[in-house]
Amino acid sequence: QKEVEQNSGPLSVPEGAIASLNCTYSDRGSQSFFWYRQYSGKSPELIMSIYSNGDKEDGRFTAQLNKASQYVSLLIRDSQPSDSATYLCAVASRAGNQFYFGTGTSLTVIP
Amino acid sequence: GAGVSQSPRYKVAKRGQDVALRCDPISGHVSLFWYQQALGQGPEFLTYFQNEAQLDKSGLPSDRFFAERPEGSVSTLKIQRTQQEDSAVYLCASSLMAHETQYFGPGTRLLVL
Repeated sequence: QKEVEQNSGPLSVPEGAIASLNCTYSDRGSQSFFWYRQYSGKSPELIMSIYSNGDKEDGRFTAQLNKASQYVSLLIRDSQPSDSATYLCAVASRAGNQFYFGTGTSLTVIP
Repeated sequence: GAGVSQSPRYKVAKRGQDVALRCDPISGHVSLFWYQQALGQGPEFLTYFQNEAQLDKSGLPSDRFFAERPEGSVSTLKIQRTQQEDSAVYLCASSLMAHETQYFGPGTRLLVL
């Protein structure tokens, strides 16, 4: 079992819709969780970090964390074609010395 | 301020050659990570430095891989006797402290022929 699991997709949504991306992790001791966006041929860039259970909103993005279920999600509201990318879920190890990445979910927003 | 920089951006090596990949982290960042990313996969952890100390090298795939950060700033990932399976993008990331957001460099795309 991998440390971080994501649905690889591809996920397609129409412009203006809500895109929902999900991630589960195996280390119950993890305390730090991140969503990165990666365009083809580019390096990952941070979208959101979340450390506490519940929701965290930043513009059109909302991250949700449920430590009891070991589940992290990212909602993108009013999806735009420029949101088309691969979204990577990352979880820091208990000691913070390793980050585990999922394989990424490919999102396409159709104009 | 300046972000993380990596050089070279692209490297073509013949099988058996040694290569050295450089990472300049964000100034003041204590933590530095190296990752290997194969096509269609997420980044895979290779090694972690806190200042000049290499605290975790459990992700290095073989003893041909070696990393150093002698003065706690610039880091070099060295691959000896490169093999075709070493072809990948090598990403460097730095963070202010462990557990915190990592900022990635542009990566070095290595192709071993």
